[in-house]
Amino acid sequence: EPEVTQTPSHQVTQMGQEVILRCVPISNHLYFYWYRQILGQKVEFLVSFYNNEISEKSEIFDDQFSVERPDGSNFTLKIRSTKLEDSAMYFCASSEIGRTSGQGTQYFGPGTRLTVL
Amino acid sequence: AQTVTQSQPEMSVQEAETVTLSCTYDTSENNYYLFWYKQPPSRQMILVIRQEAYKQQNATENRFSVNFQKAAKSFSLKISDSQLGDTAMYFCAFMKPNDYKLSFGAGTTVTVRA
Repeated sequence: EPEVTQTPSHQVTQMGQEVILRCVPISNHLYFYWYRQILGQKVEFLVSFYNNEISEKSEIFDDQFSVERPDGSNFTLKIRSTKLEDSAMYFCASSEIGRTSGQGTQYFGPGTRLTVL
Repeated sequence: AQTVTQSQPEMSVQEAETVTLSCTYDTSENNYYLFWYKQPPSRQMILVIRQEAYKQQNATENRFSVNFQKAAKSFSLKISDSQLGDTAMYFCAFMKPNDYKLSFGAGTTVTVRA
């Protein structure tokens, strides 16, 4: 069964450093998403992406965040200058279409645990 | 922003028994979509079940079923014949039509006892 993959599974970085989290969505999916989950808290939406541009972003997704689809398979989240409060689990998700129909269900990757020291 | 409330932080159930998780939500929309996701200790988010608000019939997936009460804005998940592998955090989530994001509840930790 196709699945979303994410690398690395765990990333440790120093405050102020740039990190890039990578995701490979399900191959026939066209919409891509990033969510984050701070330990012990609920999962929060960051950004959605379609046709090489951002469809929607939350207030969390400020100028230090960016997303990119550098090739036909990868979808990346870059955090330009990490802060302690960026420590969280970051989930990538994808869906066949963005509209909420049976094909709009979002499938999640296993997550990347980001630790900022 | 949509509000999704899961009022039970933790629940424990004996293996083979049934457990019901509650979820309520707040929306002015008439059509929307509701989901339950499971997050085991590995922390991967796994889709359990999905419900379209325009469908009156409650969704069922094997041992998992929902009780969708649209007027009450309630969407509970029933796990029947609980198995040890069902031990996980369960999240209720809401999506509006023409929207791209899921709004999650705080989650309910389910522990299945042998």
